Amino acid sequence: QKEVEQNSGPLSVPEGAIASLNCTYSDRGSQSFFWYRQYSGKSPELIMSIYSNGDKEDGRFTAQLNKASQYVSLLIRDSQPSDSATYLCAAPGVNTGRRALTFGSGTRLQVQP
Amino acid sequence: DAGVTQSPTHLIKTRGQQVTLRCSPKSGHDTVSWYQQALGQGPQFIFQYYEEEERQRGNFPDRFSGHQFPNYSSELNVNALLLGDSALYLCASSLIGTNIDTQYFGPGTRLTVL
Repeated sequence: QKEVEQNSGPLSVPEGAIASLNCTYSDRGSQSFFWYRQYSGKSPELIMSIYSNGDKEDGRFTAQLNKASQYVSLLIRDSQPSDSATYLCAAPGVNTGRRALTFGSGTRLQVQP
Repeated sequence: DAGVTQSPTHLIKTRGQQVTLRCSPKSGHDTVSWYQQALGQGPQFIFQYYEEEERQRGNFPDRFSGHQFPNYSSELNVNALLLGDSALYLCASSLIGTNIDTQYFGPGTRLTVL
């Protein structure tokens, strides 16, 4: 079982809709979770971090964490074509001694104008 | 505030050659982590340097080695290049703390092995 799993997509949503990206993790000891956005050919850019159960909002982005279900999600409200990118979920991995990040394979989001 | 910088941007090598990639961390950061990202995959952790020593290593062979300098900058060396080493190599910097610290990525170095 992979430590961090994501649906590879693509997830296609119309402009203005809510995009919902999901991630599951296997290590119950994980305490922090990160969402990165990666445009094609570019490096990952941190957009959200979440440490506690519940929701954390930042502008159009909301991260949700449910430790009991080992589930992290990212909601993007009022999706724009510029949001089209691959979204990477990450957590401190057991295989990194929890000193670095273990990433999922990413979900590709396409926002249709 | 200078972000994470990496050089070179692109590199083309042939099998069996050796390569050195360089990274300067974000101002104020003291820890450098290196990742390899193959096409269509998430980044895979190679190793992390702190206080000029390798603090943690991922599942990569000894052909991958590194170094950290007193000014916190770092190098990644790969010997005996294989075709499968073709990837985007990412450097991430952070400030050491009691838990995983937020990591900021540089622009990456695209390595192509022919």
